This record gives sequence, structure tokens and C-alpha cells, in this order.
Amino acid sequence: KAGVTQTPRYLIKTRGQQVTLSCSPISGHRSVSWYQQTPGQGLQFLFEYFSETQRNKGNFPGRFSGRQFSNSRSEMNVSTLELGDSALYLCASSLVAGFDEQYFGPGTRLTVT
Amino acid sequence: DQQVKQNSPSLSVQEGRISILNCDYTNSMFDYFLWYKKYPAEGPTFLISISSIKDKNEDGRFTVFLNKSAKHLSLHIVPSQPGDSAVYFCAASVGNTGNQFYFGTGTSLTVIP
Repeated sequence: KAGVTQTPRYLIKTRGQQVTLSCSPISGHRSVSWYQQTPGQGLQFLFEYFSETQRNKGNFPGRFSGRQFSNSRSEMNVSTLELGDSALYLCASSLVAGFDEQYFGPGTRLTVT
Repeated sequence: DQQVKQNSPSLSVQEGRISILNCDYTNSMFDYFLWYKKYPAEGPTFLISISSIKDKNEDGRFTVFLNKSAKHLSLHIVPSQPGDSAVYFCAASVGNTGNQFYFGTGTSLTVIP
């Protein structure tokens, strides 16, 4: 069974631009969560989608948004990029819910210059 | 404010000895805790979890201990192996399903052959 895939793996953007990251969960998984990893803050929860609905949202500004499609694929969008948005963005999928059932993708490394 | 803290950014241990990774939390409402392991260029992988109704959970070489009064948990790896070299994250949540959870900043473990 294929794992969680994230595209692109690396991205360089300029301040003020916007970016869209994509996550394809494991086949059959309906829950997708997004995390931001930075050296100083560790892994921080962004949001979770289940059956196309956002179920939970972390403490991030409204510039961070996401959506989930009917095939469970998810996208995350960051508008008006700031230098501090440079991070590794990880997506995780699970069958329904339950964090010990989450499987993480390799992440998208975003660099904002 | 970091609700889950891993105060040791790095740890080095000889192969065959015990590795002890520590994690502290501030929110007394947390009742579910997890440890993840992360290799470079890969997403985190679930390792072991514990709920607050237990004070110990064991899975092979990995044991997690929970001290609720001290708001402290630790991960013991015995015996440590070179393949255990990775970054270890602890995470905590209120409940196991449908809730936001919080990660620590990670501890980089190096097992020296």
C-alpha cells in the first residue's frame, strides 16, 4: 500500500507570494492533518480535515487555510508569505481518527526569501 | 506558549545501554501521550502511546512512563541500537480522537556503536 505523498517536496517562494501544498493520504484514509515543523517550535498542529470538513484548527493566522476533496486528498494554502513561514510542512493521514494511527508523509520544505 | 517541552535537544548513548528521553507538559487536562520517531527526510513515525489511566506502557525495547503528578513522561529504550538514532518527539492531547494535540520540540538521539 502506498504511503502518504506530499508535493512538491521542496519549494522556494518570495515574501508576499502565496503557495499551495498538496497531500495524498493512504488509500482509504479519510482524515488528513497538517503540521508545521520549525527548529524552535517543533511540530505545531495546523488543522485536521475529515470527510471534507475541517474538524480542528491550531493557533495559526488566517493566512493558513486548507481544504479536503471528496477523494480525501488535501491542499494547504498560505497567502501573503512571510519569512517566518519557512518550515517543513508535514501531512498525516489516518483511517478515521486517533493519533496513534496517523501516518506521516515526508513533508514539503518551504523556503521564503 | 509551549505546552509540551523536551528540554534536552540532544542525547548520546552507547550501544547496548539505556536511552532515557524526557518530556514535560503544563496542561493538566492532557490525558493521552505519544512518542514519535523521525529520521531525516522522512515524516515522524508513531512509536508508542500511553493514556493517563496507566503509568507505564511497554512495547518491546520501548517503555513509556507517565508521572501525572509531576506532569512528566519519559521514554526508555533498552538496549539502545544504532538504528535508534533519530529525533524523538513527544506529543500530548486531551483525549485520543478529534482533538488538537501538541508536540514537543524534539530530542535528537545518537546511539554510538
